[in-house]
Amino acid sequence: EAQVTQNPRYLITVTGKKLTVTCSQNMNHEYMSWYRQDPGLGLRQIYYSMNVEVTDKGDVPEGYKVSRKEKRNFPLILESPSPNQTSLYFCASSLLFGRAGDTQYFGPGTRLTVL
Amino acid sequence: DQQVKQNSPSLSVQEGRISILNCDYTNSMFDYFLWYKKYPAEGPTFLISISSIKDKNEDGRFTVFLNKSAKHLSLHIVPSQPGDSAVYFCVCGGTSYGKLTFGQGTILTVHP
Repeated sequence: EAQVTQNPRYLITVTGKKLTVTCSQNMNHEYMSWYRQDPGLGLRQIYYSMNVEVTDKGDVPEGYKVSRKEKRNFPLILESPSPNQTSLYFCASSLLFGRAGDTQYFGPGTRLTVL
Repeated sequence: DQQVKQNSPSLSVQEGRISILNCDYTNSMFDYFLWYKKYPAEGPTFLISISSIKDKNEDGRFTVFLNKSAKHLSLHIVPSQPGDSAVYFCVCGGTSYGKLTFGQGTILTVHP
């Protein structure tokens, strides 16, 4: 089954404790992206990757890191989480980017709480 | 600085009628536009897209209209169904770079 998986689905942590949220897709997609969703703000793009070893900042990259060492995986790293990073996080992938009709497939989301 | 704005936080429509969701953008570099639907506790799902070379794209009950000069796009759903009740996000991007910008979303409620 074609899907985007994220782990963990729920995480409660404390300020300053490094964490990684994994994202994996099994569709051989080139484009992958991370978003956070906050009330009243919609989804905001954190980082995106057009292909392996190619990553770039979205609208809200501060406090986050990513890596794209292989096509299927795109982990999101919070080196020193803070309470303002409490949010719902989505990973997404698409075959290419910007091609008419191409679409992003979203993972189920990771609910992160930083105390 | 919100580059993509959905000025109506919510919209209520009777079943069978037309739903019109609106979106305005400011960045003239955007040339790729999408609408996504989202149910609670799920990731967004793609609805329909349009590139800047077109002004209309239709897929079943969903039609997206693009007015480049006004930097405005809209999503029409005809006829609306109760299952369409969800949050709808307008998304804008530039095909020459990979960044996508979402609007804040509009909550659509379709009453039976």
